Amino acid sequence: EVQLVESGGGLVQPGRSMKLSCAASGFTFSNYGMAWVRQAPTKGLEWVATISYDGSSTYYRDSVKGRFTISRDNAKSTLYLQMNSLRSEDTATYYCTKLPFDYWGQGVMVTVSS
Amino acid sequence: DVVMTQTPPSLSVAIGQSVSISCKSSQSLVASDKNTYLNWLLQSPGRSPKRLIYQVSKLDSGVPDRFSGSGSEKDFTLKISRVEAEDLGVYYCLQGTHLPWTFGGGTKLELK
Repeated sequence: EVQLVESGGGLVQPGRSMKLSCAASGFTFSNYGMAWVRQAPTKGLEWVATISYDGSSTYYRDSVKGRFTISRDNAKSTLYLQMNSLRSEDTATYYCTKLPFDYWGQGVMVTVSS
Repeated sequence: DVVMTQTPPSLSVAIGQSVSISCKSSQSLVASDKNTYLNWLLQSPGRSPKRLIYQVSKLDSGVPDRFSGSGSEKDFTLKISRVEAEDLGVYYCLQGTHLPWTFGGGTKLELK
């Protein structure tokens, strides 16, 4: 059974950093691209970043480029999202998803507030 | 960015009724490999999104055949025949052809 379990969220002050993790199991992690998708409170879904199966290629939405870094450790079957210079508009539930969006984690809440 | 326009924003239905949701993209979603990467997702209340349909019309495993997807190029439709209570929630279309990948605004399916 495919499982994606996010962790690392919480309350953080504007301008600070936070790192999310997504532990994957039930499939060969190193064979698949992965992505982060977020959902602000009461809003719709928004793609954030994607990484290729081997980590050689990464893509970001413009609003997080230069602030967020997606990475992966295939030996640990874990996906990461390093978020720096956080802003209030980054407040959202962050989901990790196996590409092509066929499995999703339960989500982790990130609140950026002073 | 490709804009995905989803209508209607909400639907009030009776159990057993059939409904359709439209999703129109600002650009053709046909990729260079000739596939069309248009997905439909359902987010049930308090839950993570779940993919129902990929590449316009292919049903995910375990998805009832009451669900069907159709369309091409820039115009897509999700149809639910004989709505059941478990179908309630917010439906999203998602294009995976052009980066940045983009979602429709969602259609909330509620009980009448």
